[in-house]
Amino acid sequence: DTAVSQTPKYLVTQMGNDKSIKCEQNLGHDTMYWYKQDSKKFLKIMFSYNNKELIINETVPNRFSPKSPDKAHLNLHINSLELGDSAVYFCASSRDGDYGYTFGSGTRLTVV
Amino acid sequence: SQQGEEDPQALSIQEGENATMNCSYKTSINNLQWYRQNSGRGLVHLILIRSNEREKHSGRLRVTLDTSKKSSSLLITASRAADTASYFCATSGANSKLTFGKGITLSVRP
Repeated sequence: DTAVSQTPKYLVTQMGNDKSIKCEQNLGHDTMYWYKQDSKKFLKIMFSYNNKELIINETVPNRFSPKSPDKAHLNLHINSLELGDSAVYFCASSRDGDYGYTFGSGTRLTVV
Repeated sequence: SQQGEEDPQALSIQEGENATMNCSYKTSINNLQWYRQNSGRGLVHLILIRSNEREKHSGRLRVTLDTSKKSSSLLITASRAADTASYFCATSGANSKLTFGKGITLSVRP
């Protein structure tokens, strides 16, 4: 019973392609997030949705577009992939208030 | 911009020893959290301490928070080889945005 599941786990694609990563949580949490972890393990928040509403949108290229069809799902679509997009992308969710985040196991994106 | 900065960047200890990791941050916070990440895996939430708390315990973990110095420490007592992982501190501020530090690599030698 995976709490936060994201697919695919690995994604290898060519520059210029468009790809999507899906995330689902079964915890009943109100807020979901996308984080990017680079090769130096630096984690940076990209987006946050609370009950399908975008509340955090960091300085991320327009090529990245999140979509939340319902509060249990937050997908990430990336257009025109570039080499620099190679990273591990983590989905997470949390309850409102002082609670920790639950992370998915990550999607390792490699752009060649 | 990066909020939390952990210290040291890497720590190697013998099994059974205690491991102390420090974190400093720059702006006011609602809470501070510590996470563990095993190689190739997602992050696991370890412990959360609120801005009005000074110390918290959870099993072999002890975390302290000094808001006047904008710093926190995580102590793992009686370390085990299975504690080998990267540890991140993260601060929660406006919009409940969680901002992570660069992480500390802990190696526990059997």
